[in-house]
Amino acid sequence: GQSLEQPSEVTAVEGAIVQINCTYQTSGFYGLSWYQQHDGGAPTFLSYNALDGLEETGRFSSFLSRSDSYGYLLLQELQMKDSASYFCAVPGAGSYQLTFGKGTKLSVIP
Amino acid sequence: NAGVTQTPKFQVLKTGQSMTLQCAQDMNHEYMSWYRQDPGMGLRLIHYSVGAGITDQGEVPNGYNVSRSTTEDFPLRLLSAAPSQTSVYFCASSYDGQPTGELFFGEGSRLTVL
Repeated sequence: GQSLEQPSEVTAVEGAIVQINCTYQTSGFYGLSWYQQHDGGAPTFLSYNALDGLEETGRFSSFLSRSDSYGYLLLQELQMKDSASYFCAVPGAGSYQLTFGKGTKLSVIP
Repeated sequence: NAGVTQTPKFQVLKTGQSMTLQCAQDMNHEYMSWYRQDPGMGLRLIHYSVGAGITDQGEVPNGYNVSRSTTEDFPLRLLSAAPSQTSVYFCASSYDGQPTGELFFGEGSRLTVL
C-alpha cells in the first residue's frame, strides 16, 4: 500500500518562505502531486512531479527526490490568502487509486 | 463550463436511511472518483471509475455503492446510513483517465447522520 507523512501544522510570517515536506512509501512510484484546500472549500491541484528536481510555478515550487522518497512544496512571498491546508498525494502502483497525506495546515500571520 | 457539480451540498439523515449523492461533470473526463474527508484524516478514496460501466473499490468502500452508466455521472449511494458516515464527500474527475494528472474536485457534500 501507500503511506505519506507530512507535518500537521506550519506557521509562517507574511512575505516569508515556507517549505512543506512530504515523505512517502509506495510499492510503485508514478509521481507526487500537491493540492491546496482552503477551509470549507474543495481541493485544487497545484503541481505534479514525476521526475527528480524542482519545478516552479509562480510563487509555488515543488521538489522531488525519488531516491529519498521525499518531496516538498515551497511557497515564496507568502500572502495571507495562502493560509490553507496542503496535501501531498501519490497514485498506487498499477492502479488508479490516488492516496493523499493527512494534510499540513499552513497559517500565515502578519 | 460548470466543471464538477455535486448535489446536495448539505444533508442530514437519520441512522438507517438511504440516500444518493449526485456527481456530474461536463469535461468529458473518463476518470471519476469519490472521497470522504474527516478531520485529521485527509482524503480517503471510497470508489472510483475509469470509464462508463467500470467501477472499482478504493480504500474505504464499505457501506457505499456506485455505478457509472454514463461518462458524465457518478452517483454515490448510501444504502443504510450510519453515524460513522458523517463526513464531507468530494467527487473528483480527471481528463486522462489516470490520477497522475490534475484531479478536478466538486465543492463537496456535507453529510450528517444522526
